[in-house]
Amino acid sequence: NAGVTQTPKFQVLKTGQSMTLQCAQDMNHNSMYWYRQDPGMGLRLIYYSASEGTTDKGEVPNGYNVSRLNKREFSLRLESAAPSQTSVYFCASRQGPFNDEQYFGPGTRLTVT
Amino acid sequence: GDSVTQMEGPVTLSEEAFLTINCTYTATGYPSLFWYVQYPGEGLQLLLKATKADDKGSNKGFEATYRKETTSFHLEKGSVQVSDSAVYFCALWFTSGSRLTFGEGTQLTVNP
Repeated sequence: NAGVTQTPKFQVLKTGQSMTLQCAQDMNHNSMYWYRQDPGMGLRLIYYSASEGTTDKGEVPNGYNVSRLNKREFSLRLESAAPSQTSVYFCASRQGPFNDEQYFGPGTRLTVT
Repeated sequence: GDSVTQMEGPVTLSEEAFLTINCTYTATGYPSLFWYVQYPGEGLQLLLKATKADDKGSNKGFEATYRKETTSFHLEKGSVQVSDSAVYFCALWFTSGSRLTFGEGTQLTVNP
């Protein structure tokens, strides 16, 4: 099993450009999450999907959209990138609803200039 | 709202030293508590957890006890190794909730 995979690993965007971060899990998990990690701030939840077909906002959703394409895949889209979105983005999945452990992908390092 | 506060880093120790990383939380109710570890260039991995008061989580020589009276979940290890160098995150979770709430992370460096 590959676990949680993310693409790309690195990306540089100019202000105003758009892009989609891809995430897939092969553990048949129900719930999936997108976090951003910034120095000194831990991880903050952007969006999550409790189950296939549902998505909800997290702590910092502004400037992002998500799509739960199927049970395996959960993508994060930046429609018009801003320098404040420079961060490391992590996708995670959880079996749910009674299993509390989240499994994380390796992350995408995004720089917006 | 719920929050997690960790001791400020970075922490630098010599091999075989004793490690404590403090974690306190603020929450309404009784969450589950976690320690996650992030090795350089990787995603987070669950290190240990405790789901109720007085539970002790342990893994790879690390331990943490869920203290309801002090709302704390301090991480300890008796003898650290160079391979323990990583960022450690304390986090809380409510079974009825939707998210992990993370502390800011503590960078640990262990020198030979």
